[in-house]
Amino acid sequence: EAGVAQSPRYKIIEKRQSVAFWCNPISGHATLYWYQQILGQGPKLLIQFQNNGVVDDSQLPKDRFSAERLKGVDSTLKIQPAKLEDSAVYLCASSSAAGDEQYFGPGTRLTVT
Amino acid sequence: AQSVSQHNHHVILSEAASLELGCNYSYGGTVNLFWYVQYPGQHLQLLLKYFSGDPLVKGIKGFEAEFIKSKFSFNLRKPSVQWSDTAEYFCAVRIYGNNRLAFGKGNQVVVIP
Repeated sequence: EAGVAQSPRYKIIEKRQSVAFWCNPISGHATLYWYQQILGQGPKLLIQFQNNGVVDDSQLPKDRFSAERLKGVDSTLKIQPAKLEDSAVYLCASSSAAGDEQYFGPGTRLTVT
Repeated sequence: AQSVSQHNHHVILSEAASLELGCNYSYGGTVNLFWYVQYPGQHLQLLLKYFSGDPLVKGIKGFEAEFIKSKFSFNLRKPSVQWSDTAEYFCAVRIYGNNRLAFGKGNQVVVIP
């Protein structure tokens, strides 16, 4: 079974630039999550999708972050404009249903200079 | 808001030593509890979980965790570690009926051969 795929694996941008991350969940998984993991901390949920609908985006900084999952499969997370404090690893996870075990992707390491 | 505390962020020990990592959470209701592990260069993966029943949970690779409700704790243990247990370990808590996982800051464990 293929795991959660993410790209790119690494990204370096300057502050005020925009960036997008892509995630393809495990086939058949209805629930998709985006997490932000700042160095030295645990992952923090940014947004959760159930199919193509948003279930929880209460911790997403909506003034600069956006995410979509248009066809209920893969998803894109965007930051525009980026700030220095956005430097982190962005993790995507999926589960077959909300509340089931979450499977994590390798993450995208973002550095904002 | 629920919080998850992990102490002793950096742990260094020799092979065959015993390992215990503490995890405490702040929510007083019914919770689901998890330990995740991230080996160097690999994805976050589930080590073990507790939903209900026997409070002593056995996971992969000889790990176990004990849920003590009165202490709001879910400590992870392994009687005899190996060099291959070098990894970062995260405790996570989910409030029953809620989908959001709250992670602790993690424990970086280094096992010296």
